[in-house]
Amino acid sequence: EMVMTQSPATLSESPGERATLSCRASQSINTNLAWYQQKPGQAPRLLIYGASTRATDIPARFSGSGSGTEFTLTISGLQSEDFAFYYCQEYNNWPFITFGQGTRLEIK
Amino acid sequence: QLHLQESGPGLVKPSETLSLTCNVSGASISSSFHYWGWIRQAPGKGLEWIGCIYSTGSTYYNPSLKSRVTISVDTSGDRLSLSLHSAIAADTALYYCARSVYGSWRYLVHWGQGTMVSVSS
Repeated sequence: EMVMTQSPATLSESPGERATLSCRASQSINTNLAWYQQKPGQAPRLLIYGASTRATDIPARFSGSGSGTEFTLTISGLQSEDFAFYYCQEYNNWPFITFGQGTRLEIK
Repeated sequence: QLHLQESGPGLVKPSETLSLTCNVSGASISSSFHYWGWIRQAPGKGLEWIGCIYSTGSTYYNPSLKSRVTISVDTSGDRLSLSLHSAIAADTALYYCARSVYGSWRYLVHWGQGTMVSVSS
């Protein structure tokens, strides 16, 4: 069973700063990883796929990296609209997919 | 432009069947080389994949829910359906329908706004 572990559960950062969110897979998933952003009352929005490719219309301040079991989502120059929940999702054995439990990015 | 809209009863009694519909507009489910599926989110919790279906009718389910889940498509009306049998309190969640990237259920590009279902007597 694949387990995706995100850390930290909550991250406090100030606007303009850089946020670094982590996601760890319980076994290697190559670069078969996506990141989503979810704001209260909204559906998740795809940010990154293939571990590092930004989805359509996603600003360049969002970047993803990693392969194997360790992945990072970096948000540079935090803007007010970036404070939200973030989820990683693996698809190494699609259509069977697994989400992480999420990281809440809050304003410091 | 693709639009997904979930609908359902809102409240389901334990042991009954939870039935939801996702109306699709802006695309045809049957002629689309996409996967369509369901994801849920319990209150204050993360996302859980329920299952998905391809345009050919092939279905795939989360092993933890497989014994209770049925996903189907009404191609005439471009509707995606979810049935979750023998509902329990832990099925209380916001249920989303979603469409994948072209050709595979890898990552989910389009989501509905979700419909909340509570399982309670």
